[in-house]
Amino acid sequence: DGGITQSPKYLFRKEGQNVTLSCEQNLNHDAMYWYRQDPGQGLRLIYYSQIVNDFQKGDIAEGYSVSREKKESFPLTVTSAQKNPTAFYLCASSIQAGASEQYFGPGTRLTVT
Amino acid sequence: AQSVTQLDSQVPVFEEAPVELRCNYSSSVSVYLFWYVQYPNQGLQLLLKYLSGSTLVKGINGFEAEFNKSQTSFHLRKPSVHLSDTAEYFCAVNPTLRGSNYKLTFGKGTLLTVNP
Repeated sequence: DGGITQSPKYLFRKEGQNVTLSCEQNLNHDAMYWYRQDPGQGLRLIYYSQIVNDFQKGDIAEGYSVSREKKESFPLTVTSAQKNPTAFYLCASSIQAGASEQYFGPGTRLTVT
Repeated sequence: AQSVTQLDSQVPVFEEAPVELRCNYSSSVSVYLFWYVQYPNQGLQLLLKYLSGSTLVKGINGFEAEFNKSQTSFHLRKPSVHLSDTAEYFCAVNPTLRGSNYKLTFGKGTLLTVNP
């Protein structure tokens, strides 16, 4: 069964700690994306990767970092520099960058106190 | 650059009534258009998409949308809603030209609440 998995579903951290969100896909897609969702704000692009070992900043990259060492995996680290990290984080993938359609994972809800 | 405006942040409707969720976009280049649905605490699921061809697009769960190029709109409609249609709906656009600054741009969402 092909798809995108994100783990964990819910994540709690103390302020000042870095935390890494997992995203794995078995769709054989080249491109992967991270979005942040806040109530009433829609989805905002954090980072995207067109191919392995390559990634670009999106609209709100400050306080976040990513890596793309394998085609299947695109983990997102929320660092202590991110001022308002509490949000719902969505990972997506597409056959290639700029493809007409993106497929989304189930999301991770991060709460930082 | 592209922008998407969803004209209603919330739409309450009674079960079995028709519904229209409005979406307007702005872009200097040709775009693909999408509607996604998000159920509470879940990811986004593609409802339908317009790439080219017929301007009336049919999607899953009985939804359809019409692309109007002159009005730069892509409104979503369903003739009779069910309680299970309660969810948030997002309109999105993606430039047809591929390049380093392509981006899928989302509207802020419309919360559809179907009441019994």
